[in-house]
Amino acid sequence: EAQVTQNPRYLITVTGKKLTVTCSQNMNHEYMSWYRQDPGLGLRQIYYSMNVEVTDKGDVPEGYKVSRKEKRNFPLILESPSPNQTSLYFCASRPRLAGVYEQYFGPGTRLTVT
Amino acid sequence: AQKVTQAQTEISVVEKEDVTLDCVYETRDTTYYLFWYKQPPSGELVFLIRRNSFDEQNEISGRYSWNFQKSTSSFNFTITASQVVDSAVYFCALSEAETGAQKLVFGQGTRLTINP
Repeated sequence: EAQVTQNPRYLITVTGKKLTVTCSQNMNHEYMSWYRQDPGLGLRQIYYSMNVEVTDKGDVPEGYKVSRKEKRNFPLILESPSPNQTSLYFCASRPRLAGVYEQYFGPGTRLTVT
Repeated sequence: AQKVTQAQTEISVVEKEDVTLDCVYETRDTTYYLFWYKQPPSGELVFLIRRNSFDEQNEISGRYSWNFQKSTSSFNFTITASQVVDSAVYFCALSEAETGAQKLVFGQGTRLTINP
């Protein structure tokens, strides 16, 4: 089944404790992104990647890191989480195909930082 | 700068009523793409439709229809004969060709509740 997977789905952590949220897609998509969803703000892009070893900042990159060492994986790293990073996080992917611009989303990771 | 506005924060209707969700966008790009996504209570994001800026044809898919009007920068979504299963948060989103369509800019979302 074609899908984007994220782990963990739920995470409660404390301020300053490094964490990684994994994202993996099995559709051989070139493009991958991370978004965070906050009430009243919709979803905002954190980082994106156009291919292996090619990443760039989105609209709200502060406090986050990413890497793209393999095409299928795009982990989101929070080196020192803070309470304002409590949010619902989505990973998304899409192919580099002309005419296909919709992104396909993972199930989401709900992160709480205390 | 690109921006999407969904002015309706919450809508509540009785089952079988028709309901329209409004979406207004801003962009300087001449080529762009508009989307609607559904987020049911389970939380996942489900892609519903994409519209290209050069295609202003309205679209109907079962009980769903979309009205794209470049003159008013709007891309409204209508559900006909609503059902309880339509209850969800709906997001309108915009992507610009100039940025390689790398980023989806989302509206704030409209929470739709269909009451039995």
